[in-house]
Amino acid sequence: DTGVSQNPRHKITKRGQNVTFRCDPISEHNRLYWYRQTLGQGPEFLTYFQNEAQLEKSRLLSDRFSAERPKGSFSTLEIQRTEQGDSAMYLCASSTRDRVSDEQYFGPGTRLTVT
Amino acid sequence: QKEVEQDPGPLSVPEGAIVSLNCTYSNSAFQYFMWYRQYSRKGPELLMYTYSSGNKEDGRFTAQVDKSSKYISLFIRDSQPSDSATYLCAMSPYPYSGGGADGLTFGKGTHLIIQP
Repeated sequence: DTGVSQNPRHKITKRGQNVTFRCDPISEHNRLYWYRQTLGQGPEFLTYFQNEAQLEKSRLLSDRFSAERPKGSFSTLEIQRTEQGDSAMYLCASSTRDRVSDEQYFGPGTRLTVT
Repeated sequence: QKEVEQDPGPLSVPEGAIVSLNCTYSNSAFQYFMWYRQYSRKGPELLMYTYSSGNKEDGRFTAQVDKSSKYISLFIRDSQPSDSATYLCAMSPYPYSGGGADGLTFGKGTHLIIQP
């Protein structure tokens, strides 16, 4: 399967703990995006990378959130000092701008529950 | 007012019916429009994308864009129980980037139920 993969698929953590999620994009895609989706809502943009450079961050991305994409391959999203409001599905998507279009393909998501 | 409005439903129709799903938007900078299907507890799956006003057809799916009215639609013909899912519209100002414009802006999604 050459689609976007995310690990872990589920994470339960206690408030105040740090968590890290991983995303592996489609191999030839140079753009990688992180979104957050809560129940009954559409995904909300958090940040994106073009290769290894983080080019844009949403206002939703508080100081407790940090994302990296070393060497322009996989990406990690870390949440420090988790809060109950961080409970959500964290989605990763990838795309390429080598083509005229820029379709974003999503992974299965990591569901985070903060207790 | 949110930038993208989408009726959350649920929308329940009998098998074989034509389904019409719609979104309205307020940001005239949006140029690129997509429809995603999302099954429960799964990631969104890209169904259709289009840049221009007018219709685009792919199998049982037709995407329609009216930029003058800021209104987009997805039609599903010969609907099947397996089409039961949440349908998300998404849009962006691509190819214009910067200022937070590179992420997609989604509607809330419409929950569709196809009754056998």
